[in-house]
Amino acid sequence: AQSVAQPEDQVNVAEGNPLTVKCTYSVSGNPYLFWYVQYPNRGLQFLLKYITGDNLVKGSYGFEAEFNKSQTSFHLKKPSALVSDSALYFCAVTLSKFYFGSGTKLNVKP
Amino acid sequence: NAGVTQTPKFQVLKTGQSMTLQCAQDMNHEYMSWYRQDPGMGLRLIHYSVGAGITDQGEVPNGYNVSRSTTEDFPLRLLSAAPSQTSVYFCASSYFRDAEAFFGQGTRLTVV
Repeated sequence: AQSVAQPEDQVNVAEGNPLTVKCTYSVSGNPYLFWYVQYPNRGLQFLLKYITGDNLVKGSYGFEAEFNKSQTSFHLKKPSALVSDSALYFCAVTLSKFYFGSGTKLNVKP
Repeated sequence: NAGVTQTPKFQVLKTGQSMTLQCAQDMNHEYMSWYRQDPGMGLRLIHYSVGAGITDQGEVPNGYNVSRSTTEDFPLRLLSAAPSQTSVYFCASSYFRDAEAFFGQGTRLTVV
């Protein structure tokens, strides 16, 4: 069965520190991989995606994600967190259909 | 730029009632989809469409119907609402399935 796992319900980080939000997937074939962000009472917004090529993908708002095929992971990273990055983050994969992870709440404290 | 517009934003239904959630996009996107968001479960795909006249089932299609008569509109119908359908519903569109998706602001549905 296809699945996407975000093992952490919540990640807490101090402003200015690096952040990582984890995602692993179990999908046959070579899926496309995505990260989306959701602010309160809003729809999801696209951050970045991986199709093929360089394992480090750069996206919006200074975020990047690292694809690791052997570990089937696609972790979201940012070198220096901002309080305004606090939101709900979703990893997603698509092969024939979209599959989303359960989401990780990122809390960035001043 | 309107993007993806969902109506209504909030709705309360009684068990057994029917209703239609509206979704419209003005970006000429071929691919449209409906998701439900439940706490701790992320987004689950209900139905999707790859173009006008073509729809298919997602992960959780039971209790929902869709149609796609135009490129712009993709309504979601609840035929006989059940408390288990209490959720936040999102419509999304993209140029094609694997492209960046644009989401509506969601409809919060409560079935009592």
